[in-house]
Amino acid sequence: QVQLVESGGGVVQPGRSLRLSCAASGFSFSSYGMHWVRQAPGKGLEWVALTWSDGSKQYYADSVRGRFTISRDNSKNTVYVQMNSLGAEDTAVYYCARSVTASGWQNSYFDYWGQGTLVTVSS
Amino acid sequence: QSVLTQPPSVSGAPGQRVTISCTGSSSNIGAGYEVHWYQQLPGTDPKLLIFDNTYRPSGVPDRFSGSKSGTSASLAITGLQAEDEADYYCQSYDSSLNWVFGGGTKLTVL
Repeated sequence: QVQLVESGGGVVQPGRSLRLSCAASGFSFSSYGMHWVRQAPGKGLEWVALTWSDGSKQYYADSVRGRFTISRDNSKNTVYVQMNSLGAEDTAVYYCARSVTASGWQNSYFDYWGQGTLVTVSS
Repeated sequence: QSVLTQPPSVSGAPGQRVTISCTGSSSNIGAGYEVHWYQQLPGTDPKLLIFDNTYRPSGVPDRFSGSKSGTSASLAITGLQAEDEADYYCQSYDSSLNWVFGGGTKLTVL
């Protein structure tokens, strides 16, 4: 069965960096784009970033562009997000999610989600 | 504010029908992009409920249905059950902002 397991969350000071990982299993990882989506405490879902299946393209939300970098290692079935210059507004549960693009990449949706990893930015 | 607007809350008694609206604009839903819906039970990760406006993934009861018209979409839940109490999110693509979610709607089963 499809499994996505995030790791790497924790408490980090403002201005510091953190890298999250998402290990995938149960499907052909290299055939799917992968997203990161976050949810601040008590708030709604916010899309963060997408990497195409082969890693050739990346897309970012305006709120993280220039600070976050999404990448993947298809040999390890893992997607990452490198988060730099973290601020309090980045405090959230971060989910990785599998992208389905049957109707075109812009119409992609998220059919499987991980359990999330909590990032807390605080001094 | 979210690019896709949802009511903050809706409620209904067991067995009733409720609808949740998702209002966008000409740069997202109105541009023809598909709308998808997710259910998030308390303390859990989101679950895909409806994709491509009207389709249900395997395992989702047919009590859940989706529709889309113009710049808006709706999720309908019939035969409301206690276990339907959750947060519901619509999602689409915006030509300026990429992938976007609605602000979420909390469904309370009375």
